[in-house]
Amino acid sequence: GAGVSQSPSNKVTEKGKDVELRCDPISGHTALYWYRQSLGQGLEFLIYFQGNSAPDKSGLPSDRFSAERTGGSVSTLTIQRTQQEDSAVYLCASSSTGQSYEQYFGPGTRLTVT
Amino acid sequence: KQEVTQIPAALSVPEGENLVLNCSFTDSAIYNLQWFRQDPGKGLTSLLLIQSSQREQTSGRLNASLDKSSGRSTLYIAASQPGDSATYLCAVGPPGGGNKLTFGTGTQLKVEL
Repeated sequence: GAGVSQSPSNKVTEKGKDVELRCDPISGHTALYWYRQSLGQGLEFLIYFQGNSAPDKSGLPSDRFSAERTGGSVSTLTIQRTQQEDSAVYLCASSSTGQSYEQYFGPGTRLTVT
Repeated sequence: KQEVTQIPAALSVPEGENLVLNCSFTDSAIYNLQWFRQDPGKGLTSLLLIQSSQREQTSGRLNASLDKSSGRSTLYIAASQPGDSATYLCAVGPPGGGNKLTFGTGTQLKVEL
């Protein structure tokens, strides 16, 4: 079946603009995760959604970052007033809530803030 | 705070060699450990997942072991091929499962003809 998809694949934006990144998880996966991969920091957890529970936002780096998940499926990560340090690859993953919680990743969105 | 380290950071081997990638983690209270590969400009591909109660998993030429008490995992690649060239990442999941994988720094592997 289809894997995790993300859009856009690349996004270039000017400093101060808002951006929205989209993630479509694997059908039937109830858990969805956002991570960020940057040169200086490696791969970092941002936020986690599980079903209808309140999301775990403990990895969000600032209040400029927010995410929502509509209908338990598609998720959008929004970055307001982008800064140059926000430049990174944003990766989305999903998993079932079976025993393993194995996470499957999308191809990522490369964000460049100029 | 969980910290995950991978050694070596980079590795170059001739085709056909067997090789071992190492992953260590500071907090042995994990739910599972997952190995991924990442090709340049691409997302992560899951290779193997080991539950905390397991000691190893195998898939084709790949074998991953887990020694939770000592905070170590190894990924063994048999008969390496140029197509194995990629960055390999290990990640641990917290107790209770579900979320917040903590990733290692990665090992960049190059298999030469």
